[in-house]
Amino acid sequence: GQQVMQIPQYQHVQEGEDFTTYCNSSTTLSNIQWYKQRPGGHPVFLIQLVKSGEVKKQKRLTFQFGEAKKNSSLHITATQTTDVGTYFCAGPSGGSNYKLTFGKGTLLTVNP
Amino acid sequence: GAGVSQSPSNKVTEKGKDVELRCDPISGHTALYWYRQRLGQGLEFLIYFQGNSAPDKSGLPSDRFSAERTGESVSTLTIQRTQQEDSAVYLCASSTRDSLKYGYTFGSGTRLTVV
Repeated sequence: GQQVMQIPQYQHVQEGEDFTTYCNSSTTLSNIQWYKQRPGGHPVFLIQLVKSGEVKKQKRLTFQFGEAKKNSSLHITATQTTDVGTYFCAGPSGGSNYKLTFGKGTLLTVNP
Repeated sequence: GAGVSQSPSNKVTEKGKDVELRCDPISGHTALYWYRQRLGQGLEFLIYFQGNSAPDKSGLPSDRFSAERTGESVSTLTIQRTQQEDSAVYLCASSTRDSLKYGYTFGSGTRLTVV
């Protein structure tokens, strides 16, 4: 079945450093979504990417969707302690337009 | 309501007992999902409801798991004869029909501990 893999599993940075997490799918995706889960919290939808090569920005966060629509990345510039949490990517499962397969996430910790 | 509401927030149960978890989706959201998240792991799909259509139960791990939803309102997830491996956070999410555009809205989850 479809697999969505994320690397790294963990990333610890000093405040002010940049951070990137990568997401790879075993199949071509029609779109990809990103979620953030704060420690002890629940996942919160950040963004959806649809087009091949698409780049979207939200303040210090930059999201990219690969040209082949099989990979994606999330880059955070100048991390802050408020960025701490687990970042998940998710893609439609098995051609479905409603069921998502989530990656295992990247846990980001930031040292102040 | 303003968000997806789940109850209870925490549940400790003895092995072999049945448990029922409840989810109140956002009003107007036709789609409702249950996911399971084991400690430090990703989200595992369990079941999906869309309006009055037949639910997609393909993610339910065993016949001890069942879920119901009345129309476009409350859903309950029932786990019978709980086992220790059922310990996890059970997350409910709802979305509009077109979840691809707006993503899921998750509830705060029910943390289930089977002792």
